[in-house]
Amino acid sequence: GAGVSQSPSNKVTEKGKDVELRCDPISGHTALYWYRQSLGQGLEFLIYFQGNSAPDKSGLPSDRFSAERTGGSVSTLTIQRTQQEDSAVYLCASSYRDRVDEQYFGPGTRLTVT
Amino acid sequence: SQQGEEDPQALSIQEGENATMNCSYKTSINNLQWYRQNSGRGLVHLILIRSNEREKHSGRLRVTLDTSKKSSSLLITASRAADTASYFCATARTGANNLFFGTGTRLTVIP
Repeated sequence: GAGVSQSPSNKVTEKGKDVELRCDPISGHTALYWYRQSLGQGLEFLIYFQGNSAPDKSGLPSDRFSAERTGGSVSTLTIQRTQQEDSAVYLCASSYRDRVDEQYFGPGTRLTVT
Repeated sequence: SQQGEEDPQALSIQEGENATMNCSYKTSINNLQWYRQNSGRGLVHLILIRSNEREKHSGRLRVTLDTSKKSSSLLITASRAADTASYFCATARTGANNLFFGTGTRLTVIP
């Protein structure tokens, strides 16, 4: 079946604008994760969904970041009033139920804030 | 915050040679996983080793885990140019819902 998909693949925005990043997980995967990867760095955890609820938002770097998930499927990560330090690749992953075993990653969205 | 540290940060070898990458972490874990990333985009799961396991094999990959030293190694045997990528270790910690990733090793295999 289809893997995790993300859109857009690239996004260039001006500082101060809001952006929305979308993730479509693998069908049947109830757990969904957002990570951020700055240039040349490892992945930084942002938020975790189990179904439509987000029991762990501990990684969100500021209140400008929010995420939602509807229908236990698609998730949207919103960044308000973007700053240059928000520039990074945003990666979404899904896994079966809440097992922190193998995660399946999407191709990511490269966000550039000018 | 990141959990692990990989070393070396970068590794360059000739095709056919073996590549060894190491990962250290700081807290107790349920499992440790290795992922591969091409061109700074999506990650691909390679192998998972649980905390009660010491060694695991998958094709040309061999992973070891030493929980007393809080370290793991990934060995790629008979490397190929197509193995060129960044390799990350990630740990699953008790009570945490996410993986904690290391800083990665950039492997270049020269044909």
